[in-house]
Amino acid sequence: AQSVAQPEDQVNVAEGNPLTVKCTYSVSGNPYLFWYVQYPNRGLQFLLKYITGDNLVKGSYGFEAEFNKSQTSFHLKKPSALVSDSALYFCAVRDMVDSSYKLIFGSGTRLLVRP
Amino acid sequence: GAGVSQSPSNKVTEKGKDVELRCDPISGHTALYWYRQSLGQGLEFLIYFQGNSAPDKSGLPSDRFSAERTGGSVSTLTIQRTQQEDSAVYLCASSLGQVGYNEQFFGPGTRLTVL
Repeated sequence: AQSVAQPEDQVNVAEGNPLTVKCTYSVSGNPYLFWYVQYPNRGLQFLLKYITGDNLVKGSYGFEAEFNKSQTSFHLKKPSALVSDSALYFCAVRDMVDSSYKLIFGSGTRLLVRP
Repeated sequence: GAGVSQSPSNKVTEKGKDVELRCDPISGHTALYWYRQSLGQGLEFLIYFQGNSAPDKSGLPSDRFSAERTGGSVSTLTIQRTQQEDSAVYLCASSLGQVGYNEQFFGPGTRLTVL
């Protein structure tokens, strides 16, 4: 069965410091991986995705994520956090062998960037 | 251009009543998804439509839930005989074509409260 784990309910960082939001996944085939961000009272916004190719994927707002097949991880990173990055972040996976195109989401990680 | 829109934004209903939630996907997107986000939880897949193919209903939690997509565009999610555990934010998303790595674009959601 497909699954996604976000082991941290909340991540706290100081503005200007690097941030990492962790994600691990389990699929039977090869994964398509996604990160979404949700600001208060708003829908999810797409940040970036991994399909194939380079393991380091760059996305919106200066975020990037590194795909690690051996560790089945897809951690979200940013070199220098902003207070405005504070939001709820979701990792999601789709198994390529799954004929349904649904995404399986993690439980979310709340990022709090303090000034 | 216009994004995914959902209506109503908020719906309060009494236990046992039926509700209808509407989703207008991005023009030209052939794939449409419904998800549910309960308080403090991640997103739970409900149903997926792709063009004229039979929908994937595997995520619907009970036979009280149903969805239609008319003319390959607008979709309606219907919950009959609502229960308090149905209280959640219902999110609709759409994406291009029949390719599993296309990102999904989410609407702002409908917050359903069952009293």
